[in-house]
Parts: sequence; C-alpha cells; structure tokens
Amino acid sequence: DQQVKQNSPSLSVQEGRISILNCDYTNSMFDYFLWYKKYPAEGPTFLISISSIKDKNEDGRFTVFLNKSAKHLSLHIVPSQPGDSAVYFCAAGAGNNRKLIWGLGTSLAVNP
Amino acid sequence: GAGVSQSPSNKVTEKGKDVELRCDPISGHTALYWYRQRLGQGLEFLIYFQGNSAPDKSGLPSDRFSAERTGESVSTLTIQRTQQEDSAVYLCASSLVGGGQSYTFGSGTRLTVV
Repeated sequence: DQQVKQNSPSLSVQEGRISILNCDYTNSMFDYFLWYKKYPAEGPTFLISISSIKDKNEDGRFTVFLNKSAKHLSLHIVPSQPGDSAVYFCAAGAGNNRKLIWGLGTSLAVNP
Repeated sequence: GAGVSQSPSNKVTEKGKDVELRCDPISGHTALYWYRQRLGQGLEFLIYFQGNSAPDKSGLPSDRFSAERTGESVSTLTIQRTQQEDSAVYLCASSLVGGGQSYTFGSGTRLTVV
C-alpha cells in the first residue's frame, strides 16, 4: 500500500513557466514532508521541506504548499529552468521516526 | 568527510557471487539508511540504523541481504548469491537525529548482475 503517492510519473514544461509537482499521502500521522531532486547517476539531494504546522514554505524559486485536510502537497518551481530537469521525490515522516516514506518520483523535463 | 561516500561506484558481478557494498556516512550522523532503486522504479527502503538501537530490517527483500554498521560509522551491505533481479542502484543516506531532518545521500553503487 503506497502511503505517499506521486501520481504523475512525468511532466514536461516550457522554460520560464511554472512547474507543479503533486504528492498525496494517506497517513494522517505524517507531520513533515520533504522534496528531493535526483539527477541521473547521482543520489537524491534535499530541496525543500515543510512541517505540518505550516501550509507554505518558500525558498527562492521553490515553494511547497501543504493542504492537510486534503492530504496533499505540491512543489511549485517558478520560473522553471532547463537545469531543473530531474526526478523529484516526495517523502513524508512522522515525529521522531526517522524512516521516511517515499513516493515513486516524477520526472520533470524543462524544455528550452 | 563532507558528504556520504559509497564504494564501489559501479560493480559488475556474476550471478551467484557475493558482493559487499560500503557506505561512509557524514561524521556525527547517527542515522544511516540503505535504499535501492531499480531501473524505472522509486526508492525502495532496505534497512535503517539508528545509534545503538536494533536496526530496522523490515525492507530487506530476502535472507540473502544483510547489513552491518560499526558504531556510528561505516556500514556494509552484503548480498549473497546474487541474482539478476538484484541489479539496481544501491543508495546510502545518513541524517542527524530528530524529526524533520533531511537525509544526505551518497551517489550510490550501481550493481549489475550478469
């Protein structure tokens, strides 16, 4: 049973436009969420996180929105750049349980 | 070191052989994780070490897989009698204690079983 779901395996966006990557979860105990970015032949790198006490966290071009009632979060990248082309993973955790639960990833392609 | 180091970066082995993969976590990170990613798939949790606590082995796919960690330092993941379905990128990550802390991943070991 997939507790963290990224329903879009891929997304293609034009350079300069907004990229929106979505993530849904089923476990209401999750209280923090993270987004990771992965380039081929590299390990995932941490991008941005959000605690369940917030509904928005922004870092430069990256903003994560959390809708707890819908158990949904999204990552917005604006403006999108070709270098943003990568696989994006959503992950969730609960309390001090360090074992994150991961989505299957969304492959983003930003076209020049 | 500055980051999580994994070795080897690539390993090709014959079916039936044993392999050992190594992970050097970031100094001071008490939590260490092993994941694997098969081609076209997401991250699959294998095992988690937290300090001196018993490891969470719930993700190990079979008894051919085992992992050890010496204190809060190096970890080795051993796969015995490798099978072709073991071919994947094996990723190691470490983190500080506490909820909300992000993982730092190594670059992975690409294992190919022929």
